[in-house]
Amino acid sequence: IQMTQSPSTLSASVGDRVTITCRASHTITNNWLAWYQQKPGKAPSLLLYKASTLESGVPSRFSGSGSGTEFTLTISSLQPDDFATYYCQQYNSYSPLTFGGGTKVDIK
Amino acid sequence: EVHLVQSGAEVKKPGESLKISCKASGYTFTNSWIGWVRQMPAKGLEWMGIINPADSDFRYSASLQGQITMSVDKSINTAYLQLNNLKASDTAVYYCARQHDSASGAYLFYFGAWGQGTLVTVSS
Repeated sequence: IQMTQSPSTLSASVGDRVTITCRASHTITNNWLAWYQQKPGKAPSLLLYKASTLESGVPSRFSGSGSGTEFTLTISSLQPDDFATYYCQQYNSYSPLTFGGGTKVDIK
Repeated sequence: EVHLVQSGAEVKKPGESLKISCKASGYTFTNSWIGWVRQMPAKGLEWMGIINPADSDFRYSASLQGQITMSVDKSINTAYLQLNNLKASDTAVYYCARQHDSASGAYLFYFGAWGQGTLVTVSS
């Protein structure tokens, strides 16, 4: 399953509502989709799984939605700590697991 | 608290082999699969494979079959990634990652904890 994220880069300001889209080449059953945040020089960090379940400790301004082949990650009010790159990952099939190409959120 | 601590940076020549370690602590090592993911310079994330420390069952990415070997040593809670016949294109940061607790016991592989990464440089 190929994962395509859009946009690849997004410029936004603190306080903005931000939406990132992840499209799958085939249907993802049971919403087996995760979102990660990665900051420069650091390992990725899990934000959400099963498309919309927030990982423990992740701020509630992050939310996920979608089903089938289209999923979105929304940050309701962008904070300075949120400038990072975001990846989706499908785990509907582990042969192979696949990630989206990433969306870099930078300062406008 | 879960920790995954990886071995240090490596510099290798083309054709050489590499073995990276990932030492786990803070949980029962055999309860969660360990995945390996790499990230080439300024690129996205590439899944390499997963291994079950309980029985060493594994799945590899088809693109790396023949080049990759994953293993574990349960006695020291450590997973290993071996990559053979290295090429310049294998230059990347390599991460180990632990299957999330909520997926334990299932063939669902998303990762709730990651190692710090190991930079591998392949250059003649």
